[in-house]
Amino acid sequence: QVQLQESGPGLVKPSQTLSLTCTVSGDSISSGGHYWSWVRQPAGQGLEWIGRISVSESTYYNPSLRSQVTMSVDTSKNQFSLKVTSVTAADTAVYYCAREPFTRQMGFSYYRGLDVWGQGTTVTVSS
Amino acid sequence: DIQMTQSPSSLSASVGDRVTITCQASPEISNFLSWYQQKPGKAPKLLIYDASKLETGVPSRFSGSGSGTHLTLTISSLQPEDVGTYFCQQYDKVPWTFGQGTKVELK
Repeated sequence: QVQLQESGPGLVKPSQTLSLTCTVSGDSISSGGHYWSWVRQPAGQGLEWIGRISVSESTYYNPSLRSQVTMSVDTSKNQFSLKVTSVTAADTAVYYCAREPFTRQMGFSYYRGLDVWGQGTTVTVSS
Repeated sequence: DIQMTQSPSSLSASVGDRVTITCQASPEISNFLSWYQQKPGKAPKLLIYDASKLETGVPSRFSGSGSGTHLTLTISSLQPEDVGTYFCQQYDKVPWTFGQGTKVELK
């Protein structure tokens, strides 16, 4: 059974860097066939896809956050990470990590949504 | 970005009722759409992908249909455990985008 677990500080000061890690169990990040995504949700609001990374460290960041976001992967620890720089109160949210399966056929990539999610971690930006 | 507009934003229905939630996509997205259920304080759970394919372990009372610009999630007979918020998500073009959610409550 695949499980994802987010970890990191719950409180970050404005202008500082938010750093979160997602630990994967029951599946190997190195096995391929998946992207590893981050999604956030401000309290009482909808979901925003932040971006994703592959085991080969191919990344895509949402243009709305591209200037602030960096993702990385550590296959030795079966983890992937998110950094958001220069945070403001607008970055206060529950942050989720999630697995995104894909297949490649004839040069095209096919997806099927985000099939496994972490439980989420609340990050508050406040002085 | 592809805009996903969900309706209604909330609904109240009785146990056994048929419930339909709609997502309008602009521009169209073929069938590259998933539906999620989220209960309070929990992560979203994948119900449907490719607009109509049921994720393993999801009850058959959930179904999805449509393609292009008009896609729907139907719960054929609402159960108490179905209370929660439902989101659609397109994966036709990055960045992936979600609908704003539909809150389903029991009458």
